[in-house]
Amino acid sequence: KQEVTQIPAALSVPEGENLVLNCSFTDSAIYNLQWFRQDPGKGLTSLLLIQSSQREQTSGRLNASLDKSSGRSTLYIAASQPGDSATYLCAVRGDRGSTLGRLYFGRGTQLTVWP
Amino acid sequence: DTEVTQTPKHLVMGMTNKKSLKCEQHMGHRAMYWYKQKAKKPPELMFVYSYEKLSINESVPSRFSPECPNSSLLNLHLHALQPEDSALYLCASSFVSGANVLTFGAGSRLTVL
Repeated sequence: KQEVTQIPAALSVPEGENLVLNCSFTDSAIYNLQWFRQDPGKGLTSLLLIQSSQREQTSGRLNASLDKSSGRSTLYIAASQPGDSATYLCAVRGDRGSTLGRLYFGRGTQLTVWP
Repeated sequence: DTEVTQTPKHLVMGMTNKKSLKCEQHMGHRAMYWYKQKAKKPPELMFVYSYEKLSINESVPSRFSPECPNSSLLNLHLHALQPEDSALYLCASSFVSGANVLTFGAGSRLTVL
């Protein structure tokens, strides 16, 4: 069964710092990997989607990389702002057998950016 | 329209009540999902509908009954729930191909007394 792990579980930084959030997964048979943001008590906002054939995706201050063979992804946040404070979830989508169609989530990294 | 709309945002119900959660999207997505999320935990898949047919049921108790009346709507009927069923219920949709992004709604916060 696919296991997704996110490190660190929590991160507290001053405004302006560049950040790296880590995600690892045990089964490399994935369609894609998606990074989400979740504010307290709210739904999930999709940040970036990386297909299994891609190495990275960028959106504004966010850059996500994928190393499928080693089962790792990183989310890089440049010049962090207090508005970036949220929980960041990594999820992988299975591509075969019993994993097909399923999205497997990590437990998230809770980020706090203070002014 | 690029949104998934869930109603109600909040629901409080007793263990003998019957209620429903609703989800709607108009993005032409033919795959729709129900997830359950407890506090400080990741979302857990409950059901997947593909072309209005149930394709995945993650061994969810029968007190949760999904329904997909058409390609834009997804319901979750609730009956005889337990207090431990209190959670945030998230609906999502996507194109059927596994390569596509899932778009999530804002969720329905359910409290069972």
